[in-house]
Amino acid sequence: ETGVTQSPTHLIKTRGQQVTLRCSSQSGHNTVSWYQQALGQGPQFIFQYYREEENGRGNFPPRFSGLQFPNYSSELNVNALELDDSALYLCASSLVGTSEVAGELFFGEGSRLTVL
Amino acid sequence: GEDVEQSLFLSVREGDSSVINCTYTDSSSTYLYWYKQEPGAGLQLLTYIFSNMDMKQDQRLTVLLNKKDKHLSLRIADTQTGDSAIYFCAVRLSGGYNKLIFGAGTRLAVHP
Repeated sequence: ETGVTQSPTHLIKTRGQQVTLRCSSQSGHNTVSWYQQALGQGPQFIFQYYREEENGRGNFPPRFSGLQFPNYSSELNVNALELDDSALYLCASSLVGTSEVAGELFFGEGSRLTVL
Repeated sequence: GEDVEQSLFLSVREGDSSVINCTYTDSSSTYLYWYKQEPGAGLQLLTYIFSNMDMKQDQRLTVLLNKKDKHLSLRIADTQTGDSAIYFCAVRLSGGYNKLIFGAGTRLAVHP
């Protein structure tokens, strides 16, 4: 158990719809990042949130957006869903301090999104 | 850009040692990770190593890092059937982000 929880675990949407995925980070962790894992591939970095602001983004279009709340939980929103958005979406949490970046990065079990 | 490469498949006999290899291109990596993923599950952090270390041992797991060759390996001693899974190598870049670059994963099959 990593202490990182994600919901929902599975969901099915149709093309053009919007989806919101949720993540609760491990207690004491202040940074959340989101990854997309397509079938048979390694995860790809979407973005990171620290102090409620996005402070790092991978090669994903603006229809992928997010939020981080004061309790460090986070949401991933995807608008105008496309078939290629079908994937496992993983949330990871860590503790980022003022100087040294801690090494531990824990993932949740993921939300599996199917777009029809 | 950054790239991480792994062999796709490894088959070992139960009780033998497994060695999973990984190469990467970005020399600014800070931490390097090994994650395990079982079917339908998320990523389980197995171990990680800071870039100024050469080796780290944690029970049955030994990580070796060759920075000159940009090569990372994971050795699993006394491999068991429960070790069958996909193993991902990942490198974390400098800059304070939690941006990991993952390989495509190595599927480890353990047979009797």
